[in-house]
Amino acid sequence: SAVISQKPSRDICQRGTSLTIQCQVDSQVTMMFWYRQQPGQSLTLIATANQGSEATYESGFVIDKFPISRPNLTFSTLTVSNMSPEDSSIYLCSVRPTGTGNTIYFGEGSWLTVV
Amino acid sequence: GDSVTQMEGPVTLSEEAFLTINCTYTATGYPSLFWYVQYPGEGLQLLLKATKADDKGSNKGFEATYRKETTSFHLEKGSVQVSDSAVYFCALSDSYNTDKLIFGTGTRLQVFP
Repeated sequence: SAVISQKPSRDICQRGTSLTIQCQVDSQVTMMFWYRQQPGQSLTLIATANQGSEATYESGFVIDKFPISRPNLTFSTLTVSNMSPEDSSIYLCSVRPTGTGNTIYFGEGSWLTVV
Repeated sequence: GDSVTQMEGPVTLSEEAFLTINCTYTATGYPSLFWYVQYPGEGLQLLLKATKADDKGSNKGFEATYRKETTSFHLEKGSVQVSDSAVYFCALSDSYNTDKLIFGTGTRLQVFP
C-alpha cells in the first residue's frame, strides 16, 4: 500500500480565486492521479500526473482550469483555477504503487467549498 | 464504454442484519473489480478487490465474488455493525487501461443499533 498525504484537508475559497492542492506519497510511484467528487456524487478522474511530462487530462477537463505539476516521483499538485461554486468538491489524489498490481490507493481528500 | 451500476441507497439496516449491495458492470476485456468505502468525513479506502472471474475478495467480514456470467460483484456481509455506516463504491479498471478507475454512484449504508 502507500501513505498519501494531502494539503489542505479543507478550505473555504472565494469565487474567482485559485487554490493549489498538494499530494505527497511515502514511496516513489510512477502513476499519480487526481479525482473529483462533487457533492453527493461519484468520483471522476480529472487527469493522470506524469513525472517528467505533461499531465494527461480526461474528457471535460482542461489544463487551464486544472493545471497539474509532478516534479518528482513522490509529489504532485493540482490547482483549481478561477473557482466558482460549481468547483465545490472533494479532490482526491491517488496512486498505483509498484508491486500492488492494479490496485489504486487514495488520499483522504481535500474538501473545497467555494463561496 | 465501460460502466458500473450500483443499487441506489440509502440502505438502512439494524445492527447484525445481513447486507447485500448490488453491483453490475459493463466492460470489454477482463476488468478488475473493487469495492471502496468512504466513512463520514474521510477519504476513500480500498475494502476489497478481485482480479479475475470467480475470485472472491474479502476484508473486515465483507465479501464479494467476481461473477463473469452475470457481470456482477455484489458486496455482502453477514452481520453489520453501526461502525459499517458509510458510502460504498463499486469500481472497475479495465484490462486495457488499468490506470483509470470507473466508479459507480455509491450506496449509502446506515446501520442503527
